[in-house]
Amino acid sequence: AQSVTQPDIHITVSEGASLELRCNYSYGATPYLFWYVQSPGQGLQLLLKYFSGDTLVQGIKGFEAEFKRSQSSFNLRKPSVHWSDAAEYFCAVGIYGANNLFFGTGTRLTVIP
Amino acid sequence: NAGVTQTPKFQVLKTGQSMTLQCAQDMNHNSMYWYRQDPGMGLRLIYYSASEGTTDKGEVPNGYNVSRLNKREFSLRLESAAPSQTSVYFCASSSRGRGQKYTEAFFGQGTRLTVV
Repeated sequence: AQSVTQPDIHITVSEGASLELRCNYSYGATPYLFWYVQSPGQGLQLLLKYFSGDTLVQGIKGFEAEFKRSQSSFNLRKPSVHWSDAAEYFCAVGIYGANNLFFGTGTRLTVIP
Repeated sequence: NAGVTQTPKFQVLKTGQSMTLQCAQDMNHNSMYWYRQDPGMGLRLIYYSASEGTTDKGEVPNGYNVSRLNKREFSLRLESAAPSQTSVYFCASSSRGRGQKYTEAFFGQGTRLTVV
């Protein structure tokens, strides 16, 4: 069965610290991978995406993610977190031939001063 | 350029009432989707429309109906609302670009629905 796992429900980091949010997927074929961010009361905004090519992708707001096929992972990173990064983050997977995205359960990020 | 617009933003229904959530996109996308978001469960697909004139069930379609009115609009109807349908509903759209096998989905701001 297809699945997207975000093992961390809630992460707290200090402002200025580095961040890594984990995402693992389970699919037979190479997926298309996305990270979305949701601020409180808002819709989802695309941070970055991976379709093919370079496995390290850069996104908006200083985020990057690395696709590791051997680990079926697509972890999101940021070298220095800002207070405005506090939000919920969703990893999503698309499959060639399927129109919809499959979402993980999300990781809520809290940033402390 | 508004992107994906959902109405209403908030709604309270009594059990058994019906209502329609509206969604419109101005990006000329072919595909549109309805998701529901519940705490600890991420987003789950209710229905989607791969192109104008087609609709298909997603992961959690029971209790819902949809209509792809035209290329721009995709509505979600609750015929007889139940407390279990209390959730935040998101509409999204996407379109495969030329030479691309997939494109990202763009989301509306959501509709917060409470059924009492």
